[in-house]
Amino acid sequence: AQSVTQLDSQVPVFEEAPVELRCNYSSSVSVYLFWYVQYPNQGLQLLLKYLSGSTLVESINGFEAEFNKSQTSFHLRKPSVHISDTAEYFCAVTSGGYNKLIFGAGTRLAVHP
Amino acid sequence: DGGITQSPKYLFRKEGQNVTLSCEQNLNHDAMYWYRQDPGQGLRLIYYSQIVNDFQKGDIAEGYSVSREKKESFPLTVTSAQKNPTAFYLCASSPGPGEPQHFGDGTRLSIL
Repeated sequence: AQSVTQLDSQVPVFEEAPVELRCNYSSSVSVYLFWYVQYPNQGLQLLLKYLSGSTLVESINGFEAEFNKSQTSFHLRKPSVHISDTAEYFCAVTSGGYNKLIFGAGTRLAVHP
Repeated sequence: DGGITQSPKYLFRKEGQNVTLSCEQNLNHDAMYWYRQDPGQGLRLIYYSQIVNDFQKGDIAEGYSVSREKKESFPLTVTSAQKNPTAFYLCASSPGPGEPQHFGDGTRLSIL
């Protein structure tokens, strides 16, 4: 069975500092990987995805994630965070089919001035 | 604009009452999903549907029911058999295998 572990439930960081949100998954088959962001009382928005090809994927707002097959990881990074990045971030994995996503428990990113 | 609409945004249930959460999408997606979100537990899959008139149980289907009579609509009923229904419910849709899911803004259900 697939599973996703987000190693940090909360990550406090100062504005303009770098951040890494960690995600490890377990699966015996090839996977697709996603990061979603959730702002308070809203649904989830897709931040970035790894389906195939280059192992480094980037979002339009400066986040990036690297798929590491040997370490079964898909960590999310941003070199300089803004107050507006404060949100909860979810890592998710699927092995395809009709996209039955398995979510991690989430990491709450709190950016302080 | 295309998207997923969930209603109502807030819902209150009395003891022994069934309530229905609405989910409508105009993205022409085949697959639709219902998730339950509790603090610190991420999202758990309740039901999903790959095609009209067909749906499958997810990981926590007990106490819930769904229907998929139209491609655009996937309502979720929280029955009185669900003893702990207080949660944030999210509906999602996807065009097909390997494609990301798109989410609605959720319905927050509470018990009176």
